[in-house]
Amino acid sequence: DSGVTQTPKHLITATGQRVTLRCSPRSGDLSVYWYQQSLDQGLQFLIQYYNGEERAKGNILERFSAQQFPDLHSELNLSSLELGDSALYFCASSADEVHGYTFGSGTRLTVV
Amino acid sequence: AQSVAQPEDQVNVAEGNPLTVKCTYSVSGNPYLFWYVQYPNRGLQFLLKYITGDNLVKGSYGFEAEFNKSQTSFHLKKPSALVSDSALYFCAVRDYGSSNTGKLIFGQGTTLQVKP
Repeated sequence: DSGVTQTPKHLITATGQRVTLRCSPRSGDLSVYWYQQSLDQGLQFLIQYYNGEERAKGNILERFSAQQFPDLHSELNLSSLELGDSALYFCASSADEVHGYTFGSGTRLTVV
Repeated sequence: AQSVAQPEDQVNVAEGNPLTVKCTYSVSGNPYLFWYVQYPNRGLQFLLKYITGDNLVKGSYGFEAEFNKSQTSFHLKKPSALVSDSALYFCAVRDYGSSNTGKLIFGQGTTLQVKP
């Protein structure tokens, strides 16, 4: 157990639907990062939150949004889902940039 | 812009032989470099990092990496490969973008296949 918890582990949903992915960071880590891993795009950075505030934005679609709550857990919301959104979505947390990330085990999203 | 490249999609090595997984980087300042490993259907696991100091960094599971500033490389190595080392390996560099967020930029990954 890495200390970063992601739920659910698997999600199957239809096109056009909306889903919410949840991440609880490792205890004491203030930063949460979301990444999308697909076969053809590798690991793509989506968004970062630090202590409740958005810190950096990557290749995140307008249909996607995220937030970090006062207890530091984070949620990634994906709406108007398309087949191409099928991927592994990882959450990672860190205490600071020197120590790198601790990753969760990911949520596998399948859009049918 | 910061970037990292893993020039090999796949590396094949026989068990017991030494292995090298290559990584080159491009950063505007001093690099913070990382290696992660991903086993099938699992998240990424931290192997090792270079922040400063000795150019040879030792990490988990017997892996080590050599930082070479002149060649801007950070190759992952292991003296004797195990079948259980077969996995997907990612090199990453800390992003020194204007926001200075600590975000990591990952290479495309290299699949290591160790054959008995």
